[in-house]
Amino acid sequence: DVKVTQSSRYLVKRTGEKVFLECVQDMDHENMFWYRQDPGLGLRLIYFSYDVKMKEKGDIPEGYSVSREKKERFSLILESASTNQTSMYLCASSFDRSVQYFGPGTRLTVT
Amino acid sequence: GQQLNQSPQSMFIQEGEDVSMNCTSSSIFNTWLWYKQDPGEGPVLLIALYKAGELTSNGRLTAQFGITRKDSFLNISASIPSDVGIYFCAGHGSSNTGKLIFGQGTTLQVKP
Repeated sequence: DVKVTQSSRYLVKRTGEKVFLECVQDMDHENMFWYRQDPGLGLRLIYFSYDVKMKEKGDIPEGYSVSREKKERFSLILESASTNQTSMYLCASSFDRSVQYFGPGTRLTVT
Repeated sequence: GQQLNQSPQSMFIQEGEDVSMNCTSSSIFNTWLWYKQDPGEGPVLLIALYKAGELTSNGRLTAQFGITRKDSFLNISASIPSDVGIYFCAGHGSSNTGKLIFGQGTTLQVKP
């Protein structure tokens, strides 16, 4: 079974803080993705990565950056958290770029 | 961004009933996926479809890849209370990116 884990299930941060969300997959997948999910807006792609040290912008990259130093780990960074980044963050990994396996999600609240 | 048209938006059914939901797109897809999401959890992959006309089952779930490659259907037979959740379809096109296009979700409630 594919296992995608995320470092925190719930996180509360203050406006202006730097926030790190970590994602680890154990299936040796080359492709990893970060989404945010908001009511009424569905899942929106923030960033993705096809290989170590490689990243591509998704649909809503503003205010975010990513890091992929090792194949199994993909980090999402909020450089200066804002209240409009309060959301559910979902990480996914994929072998073939189409079938994506999601982690349990991190519910981030920025106050 | 592009979205799939998923219907119905919500369903409230009696335990034991069968359920059908579908997704349509204006674009052709090479892969159709169906996920289930429980409250506060990440989506869990139910079924992946790779070929037009393909019909695949996973227990009480059956999904089909439409022959036009622009639609897909998910059926749940003999629903049980643990089927409650949000069901999403997702499509992957011919581009070589990993971008999935998601439906808006169907919220299923099952009355025991």
